[in-house]
Amino acid sequence: SQKIEQNSEALNIQEGKTATLTCNYTNYSPAYLQWYRQDPGRGPVFLLLIRENEKEKRKERLKVTFDTTLKQSLFHITASQPADSATYLCAYASGGSYIPTFGRGTSLIVHP
Amino acid sequence: EADIYQTPRYLVIGTGKKITLECSQTMGHDKMYWYQQDPGMELHLIHYSYGVNSTEKGDLSSESTVSRIRTEHFPLTLESARPSHTSQYLCASSETGSPTGELFFGEGSRLTVL
Repeated sequence: SQKIEQNSEALNIQEGKTATLTCNYTNYSPAYLQWYRQDPGRGPVFLLLIRENEKEKRKERLKVTFDTTLKQSLFHITASQPADSATYLCAYASGGSYIPTFGRGTSLIVHP
Repeated sequence: EADIYQTPRYLVIGTGKKITLECSQTMGHDKMYWYQQDPGMELHLIHYSYGVNSTEKGDLSSESTVSRIRTEHFPLTLESARPSHTSQYLCASSETGSPTGELFFGEGSRLTVL
């Protein structure tokens, strides 16, 4: 069955640097991948979607890429700020129900 | 900000009690979902609904039940709570035909069963 994998280790970076988070899937290409932000004790908040026929999407300081050869999506935050510290979840959806299936997320900590 | 509300936010109860977690949304979304999340772990889909009178079980087996009598309301019930039910329960909704498939989440209900 399809699995989605995110680095379980927290990513620590300095303010102003670019944070890059990885999401790998194991089998078939999903119809699309979504990225969400989750703060402690809160529900996830949707950030971006990228479809399998798209290579890159941008929104303000956020950029997502989708490489079907590597079976991987990268999520970048440029000019990172301490307020960007949170857990970032990757989710895939495929044909049929299109109900998102989530990875366990990667914690990002931006140090001032 | 998402217009989806969950109550209670926190609940501590004893084993064997019946509990209902409430979820309401004011966006008129047809689709609603319940996910279960333990600390540092994935969200696991336990129930979903495509609309009124539609309920389906998700990927993760759960002893809970749901109902969808009104579009805006999707409560989750545990008839007899056990310590293994201790977890965070997240309710979400989405719009049919949304170009992004975005899920709007509530703040969650953190359940502790003693």
